[in-house]
Amino acid sequence: DTGVSQNPRHKITKRGQNVTFRCDPISEHNRLYWYRQTLGQGPEFLTYFQNEAQLEKSRLLSDRFSAERPKGSFSTLEIQRTEQGDSAMYLCASTRKSLNTEAFFGQGTRLTVV
Amino acid sequence: AQSVTQLGSHVSVSEGALVLLRCNYSSSVPPYLFWYVQYPNQGLQLLLKYTSAATLVKGINGFEAEFKKSETSFHLTKPSAHMSDAAEYFCAVSDPPNTGNQFYFGTGTSLTVIP
Repeated sequence: DTGVSQNPRHKITKRGQNVTFRCDPISEHNRLYWYRQTLGQGPEFLTYFQNEAQLEKSRLLSDRFSAERPKGSFSTLEIQRTEQGDSAMYLCASTRKSLNTEAFFGQGTRLTVV
Repeated sequence: AQSVTQLGSHVSVSEGALVLLRCNYSSSVPPYLFWYVQYPNQGLQLLLKYTSAATLVKGINGFEAEFKKSETSFHLTKPSAHMSDAAEYFCAVSDPPNTGNQFYFGTGTSLTVIP
């Protein structure tokens, strides 16, 4: 068990550029979550997958955001045409349905849009 | 809908003093409750969880929390604060794992420990 891994840890991008983040969950975990955390706030739910199926998306996830988990293992979160308001910490978490009750979090990817 | 409210966005205690961080929840089903800790530029680490077993839950680093249904509370305590406890603390609620699909977090409490 190597934990949830997120890459990159930090990303600075110019407004209007596209960015992609990667999350590798704990290997036997079939549920994967994406959260966004802005300064001074708690994590806000963006979306989650069970295996490769994306089962729920928050209204926070505008059409510029897309997430995939093609083989039910790692996941990517892409933001197109980034805006300064997208600057935040993006957190990935995983859990195993029917077994784990808690979510295991990665270290996060901090995005700064300049 | 599930939600949690953390009273006090900032708490300061002296080293060696009692730590009390407050959390109240709202849930339409028996809740699963969690406390997480976050250090600067890090992810969230689980401190402890309540999953409908014992109402007094012991976690890591000397923290514990008591589930009080009548008060809809799940406050976090530690008898004696240590400098290393300075961090951001989040209370969270979720549905039972077979039914729910989200974890709902509070806005966090920043703990400062004064030497």
